[in-house]
Amino acid sequence: EPEVTQTPSHQVTQMGQEVILRCVPISNHLYFYWYRQILGQKVEFLVSFYNNEISEKSEIFDDQFSVERPDGSNFTLKIRSTKLEDSAMYFCASTNLQGGNSPLHFGNGTRLTVT
Amino acid sequence: AQSVTQLGSHVSVSEGALVLLRCNYSSSVPPYLFWYVQYPNQGLQLLLKYTSAATLVKGINGFEAEFKKSETSFHLTKPSAHMSDAAEYFCAVSGAFGNEKLTFGTGTRLTIIP
Repeated sequence: EPEVTQTPSHQVTQMGQEVILRCVPISNHLYFYWYRQILGQKVEFLVSFYNNEISEKSEIFDDQFSVERPDGSNFTLKIRSTKLEDSAMYFCASTNLQGGNSPLHFGNGTRLTVT
Repeated sequence: AQSVTQLGSHVSVSEGALVLLRCNYSSSVPPYLFWYVQYPNQGLQLLLKYTSAATLVKGINGFEAEFKKSETSFHLTKPSAHMSDAAEYFCAVSGAFGNEKLTFGTGTRLTIIP
């Protein structure tokens, strides 16, 4: 069964550094998402992306964050200047249908640790 | 605005016993409801979803959930727990067509006692 793949599985970076988290969504999917889960807390929506533009973003997704689909397969999340509070598990997800009844397929996540 | 509340951050049941994980939702539009499971160091896997076709929804691994509009609930059950069911379970809600963003609950960690 096709999977959403995320790399790296674990990223350690120093505060103030830029990080790029990478995702390869399922190939025929058109809608892409990033969620994050701070340790011990719930999974939070960051951003959704369709047709090469952001369709919705949360208040967490400030100017330090950006997303890009640089080619036909990758979907990236960039954090320009990381803060300690950015430490979390970041999940990429994709789906092929618009609408609330289309389940999201999640990757295994990238654990970001900011020191 | 939509939200889900999961009652009980930790639930322990004996192997072979009934599993009941509680989820209540709040939504201003007809909701779509989901249960996801997260095994250690893995991503979120869809267990089942409610999309208004039937109030009793059957999912993978023997789990099912019943949508009760009058109680705004979508509790997850399994008749007989297995050791492999130990994981974190998340209830999630999204809106009607055109609003596919998921809002998750805080999760319930299920422990199975041998």
